[in-house]
Amino acid sequence: GAVVSQHPSRVICKSGTSVKIECRSLDFQATTMFWYRQFPKQSLMLMATSNEGSKATYEQGVEKDKFLINHASLTLSTLTVTSAHPEDSSFYICSAREKGIYGYTFGSGTRLTVV
Amino acid sequence: GENVEQHPSTLSVQEGDSAVIKCTYSDSASNYFPWYKQELGKRPQLIIDIRSNVGEKKDQRIAVTLNKTAKHFSLHITETQPEDSAVYFCAAILTGGGNKLTFGTGTQLKVEL
Repeated sequence: GAVVSQHPSRVICKSGTSVKIECRSLDFQATTMFWYRQFPKQSLMLMATSNEGSKATYEQGVEKDKFLINHASLTLSTLTVTSAHPEDSSFYICSAREKGIYGYTFGSGTRLTVV
Repeated sequence: GENVEQHPSTLSVQEGDSAVIKCTYSDSASNYFPWYKQELGKRPQLIIDIRSNVGEKKDQRIAVTLNKTAKHFSLHITETQPEDSAVYFCAAILTGGGNKLTFGTGTQLKVEL
């Protein structure tokens, strides 16, 4: 079945530094990529939606200059958390959708800890 | 935008009993309703889904019912087992908005021996 590879699975970074999270669709074309953030014991909150070759659309309250999303190809999307702070510590997870297909394929998630 | 409410937030059942989780949605145009099971630190795993053109779907011990008029859908798990213990999320597609999935708040299901 469809697989999305997400890396890294865990990352610890110092406050003020940037972290890049990568999601690759391995056997299908991810025309749309969704990026979610999940705090402990909470639901998945959509941060942004990106379509290949287009600028990402951010949800209300999500800073586009802080969470940089790149979706330059049909198999790769990246999320960069810039100038990370402890409050950015969370579980980040991507979800890819292929055009015309109902299903959503999730990456394995990235546990970000900012110290 | 779409709003999905989910109840209960926690559910404890005895092994072998049934569990029911309910969700309501606000956007009448939503037409796809998946259910996910998420174990701690893992990705959500699709367990069953339903489209708006059917009222019920079953897969072994798991079933989902949809009431479009009332805008609610439910997950039914029969003969629960300890390995069913996890957090369950309902979701609905927000149509016309890039097909974004809007998730419910989650239900922590605990199946006790």
